[in-house]
Amino acid sequence: EIVLTQSPVTLSLSPGKRATLSCRASQTVSRYLAWYQQKPGQAPRLLIYDASNRATGIPARFSGSGSGTDFTLTISSLEPEDFAVYYCQQRSSWPLITFGQGTRLEIK
Amino acid sequence: QVHLVESGGGVVQPGRSLRLSCAASGFTFSRYGMHWVRQAPGKGLEWVAVIASDGKDKHLKDSVKDRYTISRDNSKNTLFLQMNSLRAEDTAMYYCVKDTAVGPVNYYFESWGQGTLVTVSS
Repeated sequence: EIVLTQSPVTLSLSPGKRATLSCRASQTVSRYLAWYQQKPGQAPRLLIYDASNRATGIPARFSGSGSGTDFTLTISSLEPEDFAVYYCQQRSSWPLITFGQGTRLEIK
Repeated sequence: QVHLVESGGGVVQPGRSLRLSCAASGFTFSRYGMHWVRQAPGKGLEWVAVIASDGKDKHLKDSVKDRYTISRDNSKNTLFLQMNSLRAEDTAMYYCVKDTAVGPVNYYFESWGQGTLVTVSS
C-alpha cells in the first residue's frame, strides 16, 4: 500500500498569506495525485487532479505541483473560506487508493 | 447539476447487515464509474469500493471485500452498498462519489453526496 504523509499536520496562517501544503508518497505515484478540501460538516471537494490540473470551478489561487513522491498544494492568497482540512489522494496503485491523513489549515 | 443522495444508514449491532443506497441525478449515471468512500468520526478519508459504469467490474478494499458488495441499477440511477457482518470499525460516514471520467474508472472523486452515517454498536 502506498502511504501518503502530509505536512504539516496543522498550519496557522492569516488571510492574505500564502499557504504551502506538502504530500509525500512512500513510493512513486508519477503525477497521479489529487487534492481535496473539506470544511466542517461538509463532504470533500476536488481541487486538483493529476498533480496540477484544477477541477472545474476551482479558483486560480489554488495550484498544485510535483511528481514522483513529492507534491505541493499552494494557495496564493488565503481567503476566509479557504480555512479547512486538505487531503491528498493517489490513484497510481488503483484499485488500492489511499489518502493522506490531512492538513488542517486554521486562521492565525 | 450533479446530485447524489445517500440513504440507509443508521445504528446497527455488530454482526448485522445494512444496505446503503445512493440516488443520482443531474448527469448520465450509466456512463460513470461510482465509488463509496467512508470517514470515521473525526478521522480521514478511506476509499471503500468502486463499480464500473456498466456494473461489470468491481473492486473493494481488502478489509471489506468478504463482507461488502457494491452494485448499481442504471435503469434507476441508483448505487448500492450491501454491508454484512458489520464491525465497530465500520462506523463511519459513507459517501457516494462520482468518478471524474466517462467510461473507464479514473479513481478521482469529482462529486460527493452529503453522506449517510453508519454506527455499529451494541
